[in-house]
Amino acid sequence: AQSVAQPEDQVNVAEGNPLTVKCTYSVSGNPYLFWYVQYPNRGLQFLLKYITGDNLVKGSYGFEAEFNKSQTSFHLKKPSALVSDSALYFCAVREEPGGSYIPTFGRGTSLIVHP
Amino acid sequence: DTGVSQNPRHKITKRGQNVTFRCDPISEHNRLYWYRQTLGQGPEFLTYFQNEAQLEKSRLLSDRFSAERPKGSFSTLEIQRTEQGDSAMYLCASSQSRDRSYEQFFGPGTRLTVL
Repeated sequence: AQSVAQPEDQVNVAEGNPLTVKCTYSVSGNPYLFWYVQYPNRGLQFLLKYITGDNLVKGSYGFEAEFNKSQTSFHLKKPSALVSDSALYFCAVREEPGGSYIPTFGRGTSLIVHP
Repeated sequence: DTGVSQNPRHKITKRGQNVTFRCDPISEHNRLYWYRQTLGQGPEFLTYFQNEAQLEKSRLLSDRFSAERPKGSFSTLEIQRTEQGDSAMYLCASSQSRDRSYEQFFGPGTRLTVL
């Protein structure tokens, strides 16, 4: 069975500071990991994914995430936060092989970037 | 715009009425997914199609929920005899099965309010 946890309901950071949004996962096989962002009253927008290869994945809008197999984590990071980054962030996992092709999403973390 | 589209964007209905939502996926995508999202939660998987075949429907919330994708292009999600607990955002996503990561592209969602 696959599961994902986002331990923080909300993350507050000052503009210009680095940000981290945490995600941990549990799968039986190998994980496919995703981060999505959701702005108010909008659908989810894809940010980045980890399938295989380099543990540091770079994505849209300057975001990156680091896959850590030993800690079963896939934290989202950005070196310098912008006020416009304020949104809801979702981590998702799908296991491979043998998975159902359906990702499991976390509950989301609200990122608030203060001017 | 070549993204996933959903109509209507908002639907207000009275309890007991039937509602139908439409999703138009990205044209070259053969997989289509429906999710429900309630406040403070991540997307909750409901059902998905590969072409016109509905491959998973056991997680539809009740027998009041049904979905179709008759020609393997657009899809509809119907809720019969709506209840106040059905109020939520209904999200559609699509993907291409040739992409082994099955990265999903989401539409803007349909927000349902049941009075």
